[in-house]
Amino acid sequence: DQQVKQNSPSLSVQEGRISILNCDYTNSMFDYFLWYKKYPAEGPTFLISISSIKDKNEDGRFTVFLNKSAKHLSLHIVPSQPGDSAVYFCAASAVSNYQLIWGAGTKLIIKP
Amino acid sequence: SQTIHQWPATLVQPVGSPLSLECTVEGTSNPNLYWYRQAAGRGLQLLFYSVGIGQISSEVPQNLSASRPQDRQFILSSKKLLLSDSGFYLCAWSVGLTSYGYTFGSGTRLTVV
Repeated sequence: DQQVKQNSPSLSVQEGRISILNCDYTNSMFDYFLWYKKYPAEGPTFLISISSIKDKNEDGRFTVFLNKSAKHLSLHIVPSQPGDSAVYFCAASAVSNYQLIWGAGTKLIIKP
Repeated sequence: SQTIHQWPATLVQPVGSPLSLECTVEGTSNPNLYWYRQAAGRGLQLLFYSVGIGQISSEVPQNLSASRPQDRQFILSSKKLLLSDSGFYLCAWSVGLTSYGYTFGSGTRLTVV
């Protein structure tokens, strides 16, 4: 039972353009959603999060949008830079549970 | 500030040999501790988590075990490694559950040959 789904295993984007990574979830009890970035042979690092009471959170080039009715969130990176090439994981949490539920990840490739 | 240490960074072990990976956290008390594995080309799989000394919960039954002998120490072990145990092992910690989620260690690349 995949509660958090990232349906695109990979995404290729031209440098300078917008990258949009998508994530769908099934559990309406999730109250926080997080995006992590992971380079090969390194641990994931926290990127940005959003509370379920908001529909948008912005941090520099990164913006996360939450559509609760559709149970969908997306991460926008603009403009995309070569250093953004990494695997991006979507994760969700519920206040009643200290575990994060992870998506399978999307590999983002920024082309020069 | 809080830091997490995980070692070794890489490890090559023969099939049937034992395993011990160690993770320690500094700068915080009573953290929740986690062991994850990322197999090649796949997502993050939660193996074990611990909310206190001596408390271990297993998410996936397999050839591995975990122990928490001290508040900020988490150990992943195996008595006899299998080829399928190869992967990238990650330790992580959290205090409660905040919007910042977990902090991960740098990982251990385990290759079983």
